[in-house]
Amino acid sequence: SQTIHQWPATLVQPVGSPLSLECTVEGTSNPNLYWYRQAAGRGLQLLFYSVGIGQISSEVPQNLSASRPQDRQFILSSKKLLLSDSGFYLCAWSVQAGPTDTQYFGPGTRLTVL
Amino acid sequence: AQSVAQPEDQVNVAEGNPLTVKCTYSVSGNPYLFWYVQYPNRGLQFLLKYITGDNLVKGSYGFEAEFNKSQTSFHLKKPSALVSDSALYFCAVRVPTGANNLFFGTGTRLTVIP
Repeated sequence: SQTIHQWPATLVQPVGSPLSLECTVEGTSNPNLYWYRQAAGRGLQLLFYSVGIGQISSEVPQNLSASRPQDRQFILSSKKLLLSDSGFYLCAWSVQAGPTDTQYFGPGTRLTVL
Repeated sequence: AQSVAQPEDQVNVAEGNPLTVKCTYSVSGNPYLFWYVQYPNRGLQFLLKYITGDNLVKGSYGFEAEFNKSQTSFHLKKPSALVSDSALYFCAVRVPTGANNLFFGTGTRLTVIP
Protein backbone atom coordinates (compact mmCIF):
# COMPACT_ATOMS: atom_id res chain seq x y z
CA SER A 1 0.00 0.00 0.00
CA GLN A 2 0.99 3.58 -0.48
CA THR A 3 2.23 5.79 2.32
CA ILE A 4 3.05 9.46 2.38
CA HIS A 5 5.43 10.98 4.92
CA GLN A 6 6.09 14.57 5.86
CA TRP A 7 8.67 16.02 8.18
CA PRO A 8 9.13 17.71 10.38
CA ALA A 9 5.73 17.51 12.03
CA THR A 10 6.13 20.91 13.65
CA LEU A 11 8.57 23.73 13.09
CA VAL A 12 9.13 27.12 14.70
CA GLN A 13 11.34 29.45 12.72
CA PRO A 14 12.32 33.12 13.02
CA VAL A 15 11.42 35.62 10.32
CA GLY A 16 14.08 35.73 7.64
CA SER A 17 15.33 32.20 8.20
CA PRO A 18 15.34 29.53 5.48
CA LEU A 19 12.85 26.71 5.22
CA SER A 20 12.93 23.16 3.95
CA LEU A 21 9.97 20.80 4.28
CA GLU A 22 10.17 17.33 2.90
CA CYS A 23 7.55 14.95 1.58
CA THR A 24 8.12 11.39 0.40
CA VAL A 25 5.77 8.79 -0.97
CA GLU A 26 6.21 5.04 -0.76
CA GLY A 27 4.55 2.25 -2.67
CA THR A 28 3.92 3.98 -5.97
CA SER A 29 5.87 5.24 -8.95
CA ASN A 30 5.65 8.47 -10.93
CA PRO A 31 2.97 10.06 -8.78
CA ASN A 32 1.62 13.56 -9.13
CA LEU A 33 2.74 15.52 -6.06
CA TYR A 34 1.19 18.60 -4.51
CA TRP A 35 1.93 21.16 -1.80
CA TYR A 36 -0.99 22.89 -0.11
CA ARG A 37 -1.14 25.46 2.67
CA GLN A 38 -3.97 25.63 5.16
CA ALA A 39 -4.37 28.80 7.15
CA ALA A 40 -6.26 29.01 10.43
CA GLY A 41 -7.59 25.44 10.15
CA ARG A 42 -9.74 26.23 7.17
CA GLY A 43 -9.54 26.18 3.40
CA LEU A 44 -6.61 24.76 1.51
CA GLN A 45 -4.64 26.67 -1.07
CA LEU A 46 -2.66 24.83 -3.71
CA LEU A 47 0.92 26.12 -3.81
CA PHE A 48 2.76 23.80 -6.20
CA TYR A 49 2.24 20.60 -8.09
CA SER A 50 4.55 18.29 -9.98
CA VAL A 51 3.91 15.64 -12.62
CA GLY A 52 7.50 14.39 -12.72
CA ILE A 53 11.10 14.88 -11.64
CA GLY A 54 12.15 18.47 -12.11
CA GLN A 55 8.67 19.50 -13.30
CA ILE A 56 7.13 22.07 -10.97
CA SER A 57 4.11 24.27 -11.53
CA SER A 58 3.44 27.19 -9.24
CA GLU A 59 -0.09 28.25 -8.52
CA VAL A 60 0.50 31.20 -6.24
CA PRO A 61 3.39 33.67 -6.56
CA GLN A 62 5.17 34.03 -3.23
CA ASN A 63 8.53 33.60 -1.58
CA LEU A 64 8.23 29.80 -1.52
CA SER A 65 9.65 27.36 -4.04
CA ALA A 66 9.37 23.64 -4.63
CA SER A 67 11.65 21.00 -6.04
CA ARG A 68 11.34 17.36 -6.98
CA PRO A 69 14.83 15.87 -7.00
CA GLN A 70 13.59 12.28 -7.03
CA ASP A 71 10.47 10.55 -8.30
CA ARG A 72 8.86 10.25 -4.89
CA GLN A 73 10.37 13.23 -3.10
CA PHE A 74 8.90 16.71 -3.02
CA ILE A 75 10.53 19.58 -1.15
CA LEU A 76 9.11 22.96 -0.20
CA SER A 77 11.65 25.69 0.44
CA SER A 78 12.10 29.32 1.22
CA LYS A 79 15.21 31.46 1.42
CA LYS A 80 13.67 33.96 3.85
CA LEU A 81 10.50 33.23 5.79
CA LEU A 82 7.81 35.84 6.36
CA LEU A 83 5.32 35.98 9.19
CA SER A 84 2.59 35.28 6.65
CA ASP A 85 4.21 31.93 5.83
CA SER A 86 2.88 30.48 9.08
CA GLY A 87 0.35 27.73 8.54
CA PHE A 88 -0.24 24.03 8.12
CA TYR A 89 1.51 22.62 5.07
CA LEU A 90 0.11 19.53 3.48
CA CYS A 91 1.68 17.34 0.85
CA ALA A 92 -0.50 15.14 -1.33
CA TRP A 93 -0.02 12.56 -4.04
CA SER A 94 -2.15 11.01 -6.74
CA VAL A 95 -1.69 8.49 -9.50
CA GLN A 96 -1.48 10.04 -12.93
CA ALA A 97 -4.98 9.13 -14.01
CA GLY A 98 -6.20 12.56 -14.96
CA PRO A 99 -8.80 14.71 -13.25
CA THR A 100 -10.69 11.77 -11.76
CA ASP A 101 -7.78 10.64 -9.64
CA THR A 102 -7.94 11.02 -5.88
CA GLN A 103 -5.40 13.04 -3.96
CA TYR A 104 -4.14 11.47 -0.75
CA PHE A 105 -2.71 13.71 1.90
CA GLY A 106 0.18 13.42 4.30
CA PRO A 107 0.02 14.21 8.01
CA GLY A 108 1.13 17.80 7.51
CA THR A 109 3.75 20.15 8.95
CA ARG A 110 2.72 22.97 11.23
CA LEU A 111 4.98 25.95 10.63
CA THR A 112 5.08 28.91 12.99
CA VAL A 113 7.13 31.91 11.95
CA LEU A 114 7.96 34.28 14.80
CA ALA B 1 -13.92 30.16 -12.50
CA GLN B 2 -14.38 27.14 -10.30
CA SER B 3 -15.55 27.52 -6.75
CA VAL B 4 -17.00 25.53 -3.91
CA ALA B 5 -19.20 26.83 -1.13
CA GLN B 6 -19.84 25.25 2.22
CA PRO B 7 -22.51 27.53 3.62
CA GLU B 8 -22.27 26.31 7.21
CA ASP B 9 -19.14 26.90 9.26
CA GLN B 10 -20.50 24.72 12.05
CA VAL B 11 -22.98 21.88 12.22
CA ASN B 12 -24.11 20.33 15.48
CA VAL B 13 -26.01 17.08 15.61
CA ALA B 14 -26.96 14.67 18.36
CA GLU B 15 -25.39 11.24 18.38
CA GLY B 16 -27.58 8.76 16.53
CA ASN B 17 -29.31 11.41 14.44
CA PRO B 18 -28.78 11.78 10.71
CA LEU B 19 -26.26 14.39 9.63
CA THR B 20 -25.91 16.51 6.53
CA VAL B 21 -22.98 18.71 5.59
CA LYS B 22 -23.81 20.97 2.66
CA CYS B 23 -21.74 21.75 -0.40
CA THR B 24 -22.56 23.66 -3.57
CA TYR B 25 -20.29 24.21 -6.51
CA SER B 26 -19.84 26.46 -9.49
CA VAL B 27 -17.87 25.17 -12.45
CA SER B 28 -17.83 25.36 -16.20
CA GLY B 29 -18.12 21.83 -17.51
CA ASN B 30 -18.75 18.56 -15.74
CA PRO B 31 -17.49 18.58 -12.17
CA TYR B 32 -15.62 15.93 -10.29
CA LEU B 33 -16.53 16.26 -6.62
CA PHE B 34 -14.74 15.06 -3.50
CA TRP B 35 -15.26 14.98 0.24
CA TYR B 36 -12.42 14.89 2.76
CA VAL B 37 -12.36 14.82 6.55
CA GLN B 38 -9.70 16.34 8.78
CA TYR B 39 -9.16 15.48 12.42
CA PRO B 40 -7.27 17.95 14.65
CA ASN B 41 -3.66 18.49 13.58
CA ARG B 42 -3.93 15.77 10.99
CA GLY B 43 -3.89 15.58 7.23
CA LEU B 44 -7.01 15.23 5.14
CA GLN B 45 -8.56 11.80 4.71
CA PHE B 46 -10.45 10.95 1.54
CA LEU B 47 -14.07 9.97 2.11
CA LEU B 48 -15.67 9.69 -1.32
CA LYS B 49 -15.90 11.14 -4.79
CA TYR B 50 -18.37 11.59 -7.61
CA ILE B 51 -17.11 11.19 -11.15
CA THR B 52 -20.08 9.98 -13.17
CA GLY B 53 -22.96 7.54 -13.00
CA ASP B 54 -25.16 6.98 -9.96
CA ASN B 55 -25.86 10.26 -8.20
CA LEU B 56 -25.61 8.61 -4.77
CA VAL B 57 -22.03 7.85 -3.87
CA LYS B 58 -21.09 5.70 -0.90
CA GLY B 59 -17.79 6.19 0.87
CA SER B 60 -15.77 5.44 3.96
CA TYR B 61 -17.07 5.24 7.53
CA GLY B 62 -20.73 5.01 6.45
CA PHE B 63 -20.79 8.36 4.70
CA GLU B 64 -22.54 8.98 1.43
CA ALA B 65 -23.13 11.99 -0.78
CA GLU B 66 -25.72 12.88 -3.36
CA PHE B 67 -24.83 14.69 -6.54
CA ASN B 68 -27.60 17.02 -7.69
CA LYS B 69 -26.80 18.64 -11.00
CA SER B 70 -29.85 20.92 -11.12
CA GLN B 71 -29.06 22.33 -7.69
CA THR B 72 -25.28 22.16 -8.22
CA SER B 73 -24.95 20.47 -4.86
CA PHE B 74 -23.03 17.57 -3.38
CA HIS B 75 -24.19 17.23 0.21
CA LEU B 76 -22.50 14.77 2.56
CA LYS B 77 -24.79 12.57 4.64
CA LYS B 78 -24.75 9.84 7.23
CA PRO B 79 -27.84 8.10 8.60
CA SER B 80 -26.64 7.90 12.19
CA ALA B 81 -23.93 10.20 13.56
CA LEU B 82 -21.19 9.02 15.91
CA VAL B 83 -19.26 11.16 18.37
CA SER B 84 -16.12 10.06 16.51
CA ASP B 85 -17.46 11.76 13.36
CA SER B 86 -16.70 15.14 14.96
CA ALA B 87 -14.15 16.74 12.67
CA LEU B 88 -13.64 19.32 9.91
CA TYR B 89 -15.15 18.37 6.56
CA PHE B 90 -14.04 19.72 3.20
CA CYS B 91 -15.77 19.58 -0.13
CA ALA B 92 -13.62 19.95 -3.24
CA VAL B 93 -14.18 20.16 -6.97
CA ARG B 94 -12.04 19.59 -10.01
CA VAL B 95 -12.81 20.13 -13.68
CA PRO B 96 -11.30 18.02 -16.45
CA THR B 97 -9.26 20.81 -18.02
CA GLY B 98 -5.90 22.32 -17.33
CA ALA B 99 -4.04 21.44 -14.18
CA ASN B 100 -5.41 18.85 -11.83
CA ASN B 101 -6.24 21.43 -9.25
CA LEU B 102 -8.61 20.65 -6.44
CA PHE B 103 -10.62 23.69 -5.37
CA PHE B 104 -11.57 23.36 -1.73
CA GLY B 105 -14.41 24.84 0.23
CA THR B 106 -13.68 26.61 3.50
CA GLY B 107 -14.72 23.62 5.56
CA THR B 108 -17.54 22.76 7.95
CA ARG B 109 -16.87 21.80 11.52
CA LEU B 110 -19.13 18.96 12.56
CA THR B 111 -19.75 18.38 16.24
CA VAL B 112 -21.67 15.29 17.29
CA ILE B 113 -23.11 15.72 20.76
CA PRO B 114 -23.31 12.64 22.96
